[in-house]
Amino acid sequence: QKEVEQDPGPLSVPEGAIVSLNCTYSNSAFQYFMWYRQYSRKGPELLMYTYSSGNKEDGRFTAQVDKSSKYISLFIRDSQPSDSATYLCAMKTSYDKVIFGPGTSLSVIP
Amino acid sequence: EADIYQTPRYLVIGTGKKITLECSQTMGHDKMYWYQQDPGMELHLIHYSYGVNSTEKGDLSSESTVSRIRTEHFPLTLESARPSHTSQYLCASTLGDEQYFGPGTRLTVT
Repeated sequence: QKEVEQDPGPLSVPEGAIVSLNCTYSNSAFQYFMWYRQYSRKGPELLMYTYSSGNKEDGRFTAQVDKSSKYISLFIRDSQPSDSATYLCAMKTSYDKVIFGPGTSLSVIP
Repeated sequence: EADIYQTPRYLVIGTGKKITLECSQTMGHDKMYWYQQDPGMELHLIHYSYGVNSTEKGDLSSESTVSRIRTEHFPLTLESARPSHTSQYLCASTLGDEQYFGPGTRLTVT
């Protein structure tokens, strides 16, 4: 079993929809959680970073962490075609390397 | 936000050639990483460094080598390129617990 699991998709939604992206993990020592957006043939871009359970909001993006269930989510409100990309979750302990999920491919259709 | 630079952005080279992929960051980050990513596939950590004169192999076996003589510079070298080395190579550095990526080098070995 991989440390971080993520549905690879592809996920296709109409413009304006609310998108929910999810990851589960097995290592209870993970304390820091990140979401990256990666456009085709580009490097990943850090979208959200959080280290506590609960919600963190930044514009149209909300990151949610549930440490008791070992489950994290990224919500995108009012999705736009420019949100079409691969979204990677990532997490780490306080002293170790970042572990990435395989990514979910998202297409927002105009 | 970190500024991470990678050169070249694209490279097409013949089998057997020696190549060095450059990565530099201007923020004084101690931790730097090299990942390999095939199109549509997940990131694989191939090398990392926690400071000057510190280098470690990552989770994915790689025929490449790295050096860390200066904090800001983390080059990756392939002594003899092969078609199996064709991939995208992503450099990253860490500020606290947040990891930032460069734009990547897309390598094609013919």
